[in-house]
Formats: sequence, C-alpha cells, structure tokens
Amino acid sequence: SQQGEEDPQALSIQEGENATMNCSYKTSINNLQWYRQNSGRGLVHLILIRSNEREKHSGRLRVTLDTSKKSSSLLITASRAADTASYFCATGPPGYSGGGADGLTFGKGTHLIIQP
Amino acid sequence: DAGVIQSPRHEVTEMGQEVTLRCKPISGHNSLFWYRQTMMRGLELLIYFNNNVPIDDSGMPEDRFSAKMPNASFSTLKIQPSEPRDSAVYFCASSQNQPQHFGDGTRLSIL
Repeated sequence: SQQGEEDPQALSIQEGENATMNCSYKTSINNLQWYRQNSGRGLVHLILIRSNEREKHSGRLRVTLDTSKKSSSLLITASRAADTASYFCATGPPGYSGGGADGLTFGKGTHLIIQP
Repeated sequence: DAGVIQSPRHEVTEMGQEVTLRCKPISGHNSLFWYRQTMMRGLELLIYFNNNVPIDDSGMPEDRFSAKMPNASFSTLKIQPSEPRDSAVYFCASSQNQPQHFGDGTRLSIL
C-alpha cells in the first residue's frame, strides 16, 4: 500500500505564482523526502526533512513537516515553466536514516503544470 | 559524472518471451534499488541490494521476476516468461549515504 499520498493529484497555475503540494503518510518515519520527475525521465531528489525538523528551505523550495498530523507540504515559490513536472513524497521505514540503505515508499504524485 | 545508466530505454516484446533489464549504478554507491512505475499502482519498490547482497525482495510480484547483482557495477532484472501486465517503466536507483539517484528507466511493453 502507498505510504505517502499527495494532494492535489494535479495542479495548474500561472508562471510566477506559488505552488503548494501536500503529502500524508501513515506510519512513523525517520525522514521524508520530495522528488521531482520530468516526463520520460527518472526521479530527481529535491529535499529531505528529518522527523525532528519542522521546516526546511532550498532555493525556491520550502518543505514543512508535521509529525503529529503525519503530513508534509512542498511549496515552490515564483514558479517557472521549467517546474512543470510530477512531484512525489517518499518515506523510508522507521529507523531509516536517509543513508540510502532501505527502499522508499512513494505516493502517486502531484502533476504540476506551470502555464506561461 | 555519469549517473545511473539503464538499458535498454525501450523494449517491446511478445508475451512469453524472456526480458532482461540492465543497470549500472553510480560508481562508489553501495545500495541499488529496482522500482516499477505504472499509472494504476504508481512507483513500487521491487527489490534492493546492499553491497551486492539482496536485502528485501518482498516487492517482487511473482517467481517470474528475478534480480541479480554479480558485482558492484552491474545489476539485472529478469522476467521469464513475460506477461502483458508486466508492461511498465522499470527504474533502477543507487545511493551511498545520500538520497537515491535514479536512472531514466526502461519502458517495457509486453504485447
């Protein structure tokens, strides 16, 4: 079963606007990761947030984590046409440290379209 | 630096045929993962290796699927015999104390 579930499934906004995607998960986690997938390509890692962190920034990306609600959000500010892609949250099993030694469970993703 | 390399990029074959997908991980990475992506089921973990040893193959759907990692620079995923429901994009990923790095996948179509 899917650990992470992204919301919304699809999002279309104008270039320059902010895009917010949400992820909910079911079990305890050590960290949560966000990945991007462009059409026809593999997934690219964007950002990792640990369970003891509440917010993390990387360039135009802002990720929040609420472990009490088992949810996370990804905010992309000042969106660009190049941000058009699918975005996935992923979690490892409890005890997973992000060291890459365990497989990840992915949600079904949010398909983001940035209109020029 | 070269990323994860998968071959072939596309494969079309008839049901009942044997299919072999190949993966070259990033040099120095000690973990390798095989995933399958479909519209219906999303991205699913099939199997992963640490230091060439299979750790968890609980995601492998049936005995028709097998995976090997004979050395640190090469892995295969084999389907024998193939069925139309195996049609999907198969991804290989590798990591070394970092988040996972994905190849661009093999798009497999079983007719």
